[in-house]
Order: sequence, then C-alpha cells, then structure tokens
Amino acid sequence: DSGVTQTPKHLITATGQRVTLRCSPRSGDLSVYWYQQSLDQGLQFLIQYYNGEERAKGNILERFSAQQFPDLHSELNLSSLELGDSALYFCASSYGASNEKLFFGSGTQLSVL
Amino acid sequence: DAKTTQPPSMDCAEGRAANLPCNHSTISGNEYVYWYRQIHSQGPQYIIHGLKNNETNEMASLIITEDRKSSTLILPHATLRDTAVYYCIGGQDMRFGAGTRLTVKP
Repeated sequence: DSGVTQTPKHLITATGQRVTLRCSPRSGDLSVYWYQQSLDQGLQFLIQYYNGEERAKGNILERFSAQQFPDLHSELNLSSLELGDSALYFCASSYGASNEKLFFGSGTQLSVL
Repeated sequence: DAKTTQPPSMDCAEGRAANLPCNHSTISGNEYVYWYRQIHSQGPQYIIHGLKNNETNEMASLIITEDRKSSTLILPHATLRDTAVYYCIGGQDMRFGAGTRLTVKP
C-alpha cells in the first residue's frame, strides 16, 4: 500500500460528459502529480501541484483542469469527454517539489463510451 | 519530454541477471535518477534511486557511470514475477518515457 488513495477505481461515462477524479496523497506529502496512460502506452505527465500551487504542466488538454485543495488532496476534472480520453489516470505524491521519490496510487480506469 | 532513453524491450532467462540500461545525459549533476516498474496496469512501483554512487537494496542494484550520463539497473536473479515495464526517470518534473518492457522467460 503506497498510502496514495485514488477514487473512483472505475468510471464509465459517455462522450461529452464531465468527470472528476480524486487523489489523496500520502500523509505529509505536499506534491501531487497526475499522469495519463492510454492502452499499451507509457505514462504521460499531465500536471503537478505543490502545496496548493501549480508547479509544472505537461501534455494536459485545455478540456482538462486540476487543483489542489488546502488539505492537499487533488482533483482532476475532465470535460467534454471524447472516446480518446479513455485511459488509466494515475496520481502520485511526493514530499518535496522536485526530483523526489514518487508514490503512486492504484489509478482510476476511465472508459468513455 | 522525458529526459531519458531506454531500449523498448528486453528478454531475460529466469534465474539470470537482467541488466537494463538507461541514457540520461540531460539530467543535471545534482538530480537523482529513479527507477520504477509497472506490472500490468498497476501503479508504478519504486525500485531504487541514485545520484553518483552505485546503490543496492533488496530489490536491485543501480550502477551509475562516472559521467552520470547513463545508468544500469540490475536484477541479480530475475524471476517470472519481474516481468514488467521498467522506467528510468529524473530531472525536475519527473516525466516518464516509454520504458523497457522486460520479459523473463522460463
């Protein structure tokens, strides 16, 4: 158990809809990272938050947004969903802002039908 | 983009050592190199990390070249359960590349 909690584990929705994925980092960790993994693909870095502030941005679409709340949990919002958004979404956390060991959650499997 | 380069796939016989290379010439001298592995669709699992010196833990050994431009992860006695995708990453923002798909064969 990494200590990182992601909910829900599975999500099935329709094209055009909006969903929210939630991540609770390990106790004491200040950074939260979001990654997207499409079928048989590598992990695509989406965005990182550190202590409530956006720290780094990767290949995140404009239809996607994220935030980190004062209690340090994070949410990834995906809107106007398309079939191609179907993927595994992983959250990871670390204590510091950069170049630190990451602890990954078990992921949210999103299926857009 | 990822700052690391790894071969897309490797095979290894069960019980033999698996040596997985990684080039990371653009990672700064004060940044750690981390190795993770991902089994099926599980969340990536931390294996080991290092800066300059070679490192060893209960899972693996890490050999880092003196110029820090590359490293090798060594699984000393690979088992079937070591079949996974192995990622080497580093730098400020922890971007993953495609990794190496290691297949351990009986």
